[in-house]
Amino acid sequence: NAGVMQNPRHLVRRRGQEARLRCSPMKGHSHVYWYRQLPEEGLKFMVYLQKENIIDESGMPKERFSAEFPKEGPSILRIQQVVRGDSAAYFCASSPPPRGRETQYFGPGTRLLVL
Amino acid sequence: QQQVKQSPQSLIVQKGGIPIINCAYENTAFDYFPWYQQFPGKGPALLIAIRPDVSEKKEGRFTISFNKSAKQFSLHIMDSQPGDSATYFCAASMMTGTASKLTFGTGTRLQVTL
Repeated sequence: NAGVMQNPRHLVRRRGQEARLRCSPMKGHSHVYWYRQLPEEGLKFMVYLQKENIIDESGMPKERFSAEFPKEGPSILRIQQVVRGDSAAYFCASSPPPRGRETQYFGPGTRLLVL
Repeated sequence: QQQVKQSPQSLIVQKGGIPIINCAYENTAFDYFPWYQQFPGKGPALLIAIRPDVSEKKEGRFTISFNKSAKQFSLHIMDSQPGDSATYFCAASMMTGTASKLTFGTGTRLQVTL
């Protein structure tokens, strides 16, 4: 059973370009969380999605950031018109349908560098 | 009120020592407290977790102590090894509807020397 997969692992963009980060959850998992980690800091929650639904986006910046988890295919975190402050590691985590407390399993992350 | 405060920021111990990492929280609605281990270039991996109805939990060399009244919890690593050198994050979450987003501490960089 493959773990959470993220691609690309590294992404370099120039200011103003778009960044698309992909996350494939573990098999059987229908819940995806996105977190951002700035250098030397902890992870910050961004958004929580189930298939075709955004459940909680309280941690998402109001502008330029969007996320989706379509019925088929990976979850995508999209950053439009990137700025240098978007440089960070973006982690996706997945968990099975909640039956109480479900562990979140993290992917290896995508390291975004904005030049 | 959503913060989790973690200390120390970094820690160096000798092999066989017992590093202790402390976390404190404010929000009494938190009801799940996991610890994650992260190696450079990797994603966080769950080490051990505890709920507030338990004061201590042990798994292998890792022990969580939980003080509900003080709103504090800590990670102890017994007989630490160089392979334990990593960054450790405490976290907290609460069930809100069907979500259980994690609030992370700022991390402790642990180095275990020979």
